[in-house]
Amino acid sequence: KNEVEQSPQNLTAQEGEFITINCSYSVGISALHWLQQHPGGGIVSLFMLSSGKKKHGRLIATINIQEKHSSLHITASHPRDSAVYICAGAFNFGNEKLTFGTGTRLTIIP
Amino acid sequence: GAVVSQHPSRVICKSGTSVKIECRSLDFQATTMFWYRQFPKQSLMLMATSNEGSKATYEQGVEKDKFLINHASLTLSTLTVTSAHPEDSSFYICSAKAPRRGEISYGYTFGSGTRLTVV
Repeated sequence: KNEVEQSPQNLTAQEGEFITINCSYSVGISALHWLQQHPGGGIVSLFMLSSGKKKHGRLIATINIQEKHSSLHITASHPRDSAVYICAGAFNFGNEKLTFGTGTRLTIIP
Repeated sequence: GAVVSQHPSRVICKSGTSVKIECRSLDFQATTMFWYRQFPKQSLMLMATSNEGSKATYEQGVEKDKFLINHASLTLSTLTVTSAHPEDSSFYICSAKAPRRGEISYGYTFGSGTRLTVV
């Protein structure tokens, strides 16, 4: 069964702290996605990874294929980073369906 | 680039009526559109995959006669909730595979979602 698990479910931190959100998946994937869902519901695609590491501004995503694990890091966190972060795996090559984790609700306190 | 526009953002309807939700790809052609449903504090659940010019593929447990999907063009997919009931109240969101730009693939692009309340 294709599964994606995230931790923690909820995370509260002070502004400026370094944030790490973890994602593990049950079987091999073709790509791992990190998404950000804002309080209003809109979803933004942050990263798509199949290996290594990607960086965009203060966001860094890494993936370890052997350990079936990915992390999303936020440096110098800011209250505007408060959102739900979701990892999702594309499990079948040629099949574009995503399996979603339950999300991590991040709150950054000023 | 690669924007999906979803309308309406919020809708309240009476029980028994039908509601249509539209998703348009604004600057690319979306041959495949995914439709998701999300209950409060839960993850997204795939309802169906729509392909332009063919019948949608529904996930197990999703009633195709209740959730009608039409993907008549490469830029428009619609989800119609027929004979809506209060239990259909949920957040519905569409997604398309974003086109590659040279060597770069941006993954998926999502609509802004529709919050449906059936009273």
